[in-house]
Amino acid sequence: GAVVSQHPSRVICKSGTSVKIECRSLDFQATTMFWYRQFPKQSLMLMATSNEGSKATYEQGVEKDKFLINHASLTLSTLTVTSAHPEDSSFYICSATPDGEQFFGPGTRLTVL
Amino acid sequence: QKEVEQNSGPLSVPEGAIASLNCTYSDRGSQSFFWYRQYSGKSPELIMFIYSNGDKEDGRFTAQLNKASQYVSLLIRDSQPSDSATYLCAVPSGNTPLVFGKGTRLSVIA
Repeated sequence: GAVVSQHPSRVICKSGTSVKIECRSLDFQATTMFWYRQFPKQSLMLMATSNEGSKATYEQGVEKDKFLINHASLTLSTLTVTSAHPEDSSFYICSATPDGEQFFGPGTRLTVL
Repeated sequence: QKEVEQNSGPLSVPEGAIASLNCTYSDRGSQSFFWYRQYSGKSPELIMFIYSNGDKEDGRFTAQLNKASQYVSLLIRDSQPSDSATYLCAVPSGNTPLVFGKGTRLSVIA
């Protein structure tokens, strides 16, 4: 199956700082990638759809100015959590669909102190 | 907004038994259904998908779909401790990728 990577796998930061998470498709090109967030004991919630060369589409309730998404190439999408707060602590997972099947990255555990 | 409902569990079964995981969905027009397994601290991995009414078998896993009842299930035969995980049911929703249920936590006891 296709491989999706994420970096970093784990990050701890101070409140008020910004954190960038990278999502890469390693063996295929992805015009669309998806960003999910998962709080403990909760399901995955779609945050936004990242579109190569255009603006991301955000789900209702997700602040686009807080969660900046840049899909600069066919293999890379980045999610930047700006001015992070403790309530942003979560598991962030990206995914891509090269052929209809959805492949997930390994996830990034963000802890905001 | 499509809804996907699952019993959160935990569902505990002894090793070697059959584990039965259930999922209901709200949109009668849904055509495809996915089962993912998620280990603690890891991202989901696809186990099976099913499009047609009836059963679909893959090794120890069997997915069952009943569109009339809007019900999809996953059976795990000969359950192993390594099957202990959270199982997520997911349904595509229009132009968005997948809507996930909250997942059922399965514990297989040796």
